[in-house]
Amino acid sequence: DAKTTQPTSMDCAEGRAANLPCNHSTISGNEYVYWYRQIHSQGPQYIIHGLKNNETNEMASLIITEDRKSSTLILPHATLRDTAVYYCIVRDYNFNKFYFGSGTKLNVKP
Amino acid sequence: GAGVSQSPSNKVTEKGKDVELRCDPISGHTALYWYRQSLGQGLEFLIYFQGNSAPDKSGLPSDRFSAERTGGSVSTLTIQRTQQEDSAVYLCASSLESSGRPGAKLFFGSGTQLSVL
Repeated sequence: DAKTTQPTSMDCAEGRAANLPCNHSTISGNEYVYWYRQIHSQGPQYIIHGLKNNETNEMASLIITEDRKSSTLILPHATLRDTAVYYCIVRDYNFNKFYFGSGTKLNVKP
Repeated sequence: GAGVSQSPSNKVTEKGKDVELRCDPISGHTALYWYRQSLGQGLEFLIYFQGNSAPDKSGLPSDRFSAERTGGSVSTLTIQRTQQEDSAVYLCASSLESSGRPGAKLFFGSGTQLSVL
């Protein structure tokens, strides 16, 4: 049970910001939002996570709405190497299963 | 080692045979996960080990699937009497953080591509 809804695919021009949305309308107070990505033929790679505040690291920014029912992952300057499947996951503080869902296939085009 | 290591990277077997897939987690990581990924699909949770606690086997699709983790380190996923629908990439991940702590990051291996003919 993935608990998240993401678009199947998105396109982005190289050098532009990529904004990947995720709906998690049933999220509860203990659940964190995580983002991972999977580049072809590799295992998924951690990007960022958050609870309710916006977060930023060297890879991306995570914007979580005030009601926490949706979030957006932002890659500020997408490159061709960012082409991957991006997974939005909610994870309960007290449980350790990460449910990955089907993710969004991001195609970065030159 | 530097990362999660899985072996073999590819395994071709005949229907009905048993297979064993191995995962060496990052040294010191207490949590270990197995996932399955069919072609073009997302990751399907199989089983989770945390320290000395009883594993969470709730994702195993049938009793042909089993896994163990010896000494809190290496894990083996065994599939008995393989079927063609078992063909998939089997991914292992480990995590340093203990059960329930927020911020746990999973580190994945490159997976084992299993093909059942």
